[in-house]
Amino acid sequence: GAVVSQHPSWVICKSGTSVKIECRSLDFQATTMFWYRQFPKQSLMLMATSNEGSKATYEQGVEKDKFLINHASLTLSTLTVTSAHPEDSSFYICSASDPRTGNNSPLHFGNGTRLTVT
Amino acid sequence: RKEVEQDPGPFNVPEGATVAFNCTYSNSASQSFFWYRQDCRKEPKLLMSVYSSGNEDGRFTAQLNRASQYISLLIRDSKLSDSATYLCVVNSMNRDDKIIFGKGTRLHILP
Repeated sequence: GAVVSQHPSWVICKSGTSVKIECRSLDFQATTMFWYRQFPKQSLMLMATSNEGSKATYEQGVEKDKFLINHASLTLSTLTVTSAHPEDSSFYICSASDPRTGNNSPLHFGNGTRLTVT
Repeated sequence: RKEVEQDPGPFNVPEGATVAFNCTYSNSASQSFFWYRQDCRKEPKLLMSVYSSGNEDGRFTAQLNRASQYISLLIRDSKLSDSATYLCVVNSMNRDDKIIFGKGTRLHILP
């Protein structure tokens, strides 16, 4: 079945540094990938939609200059948290759907990245 | 009305019991529906798609009621390992083509 790989699984960084998270579709090409954030005991919140070869679409309230998204190939999207602060500490998850299974195909998730900013 | 609503629970259910929960959606044009389960500190995993005719996978049954705009998940003979948060996901298939997550229903199976 379709597999989405996310790396790293967890990262601890100092305040002010930048962190890059990779999301790869391993056995399918994904023109669109989604990035979510989840705070403890809360629901997934869509941050942005990553579009291959074009600019990402950000949800209201998400700073595009802080959360840089690059979708340079059909199998890779990256999310860079720039100048991270402790309030950015969260669980970040990417997802994509396999276009081969049609318009109603489910999302497949990466295993998530737990970011802790100290 | 929120786009996708779920009872957050928690549902505390004894092992072996049957439990069901619903998810309502506001966009009548929604086309596809899914149930995901999410374990603590893990990513959501697809449990099952929800088809118009209803579908069953082992102990799990999913139903769609378009007239009342809700989907349901029934778990029979519940196991301790069923303890998780169950997320309802709706693909609105509108111009924005957004995939909307419910906030999840927490289920605790008690020994």
